[in-house]
Amino acid sequence: DADVTQTPRNRITKTGKRIMLECSQTKGHDRMYWYRQDPGLGLQLIYYSFDVKDINKGEISDGYSVSRQAQAKFSLSLESAIPNQTALYFCATSDPGLAGGQETQYFGPGTRLLVL
Amino acid sequence: DQQVKQNSPSLSVQEGRISILNCDYTNSMFDYFLWYKKYPAEGPTFLISISSIKDKNEDGRFTVFLNKSAKHLSLHIVPSQPGDSAVYFCAASAQRIQGAQKLVFGQGTRLTINP
Repeated sequence: DADVTQTPRNRITKTGKRIMLECSQTKGHDRMYWYRQDPGLGLQLIYYSFDVKDINKGEISDGYSVSRQAQAKFSLSLESAIPNQTALYFCATSDPGLAGGQETQYFGPGTRLLVL
Repeated sequence: DQQVKQNSPSLSVQEGRISILNCDYTNSMFDYFLWYKKYPAEGPTFLISISSIKDKNEDGRFTVFLNKSAKHLSLHIVPSQPGDSAVYFCAASAQRIQGAQKLVFGQGTRLTINP
């Protein structure tokens, strides 16, 4: 079984609709992240969470919200989807490890979203 | 402002030869660098990393070189194999502030290994 799973894998929606993308992990990591990937732009950070009570905005949080329901679950919502939110969305997790250490993030398979 | 840049969108290499993927960065505070590999319809997978206190890290066929004065890192794959065909992202992070470790990604380079 995959350590980081995302549902749905593909989604088509219409402008103005509210949708939720879900992420679950079995790695036991406290830290979780949501990224979007656009062609030619790499991955951009939307939101991140270091534990269940911690939520932080990333570079491009406008138009998005998140919910950390449990250590293993981190959901991303588009309150009112717009066409320029069409992108590939990735969830990731990491473990803080040793104090002062450098973390590696582990990614889910992605959700391809099309907003018409 | 693109802090991490991969200036080559694509690279084609013959099987068995060396593949060299390049990455430049602008933020001198970055102290940890990673390479991720991504196949179609999959998420990025961690490949190799290097701390700023080193200038080289090797793992099997993969070696990452860091030139801090030039703010440049490269990934060498020797010998290249068809299964190496993928998109490669470099990423960088600065020392954590208030526990935050955020990765900044380059745009990616699509590597194609030709038989």
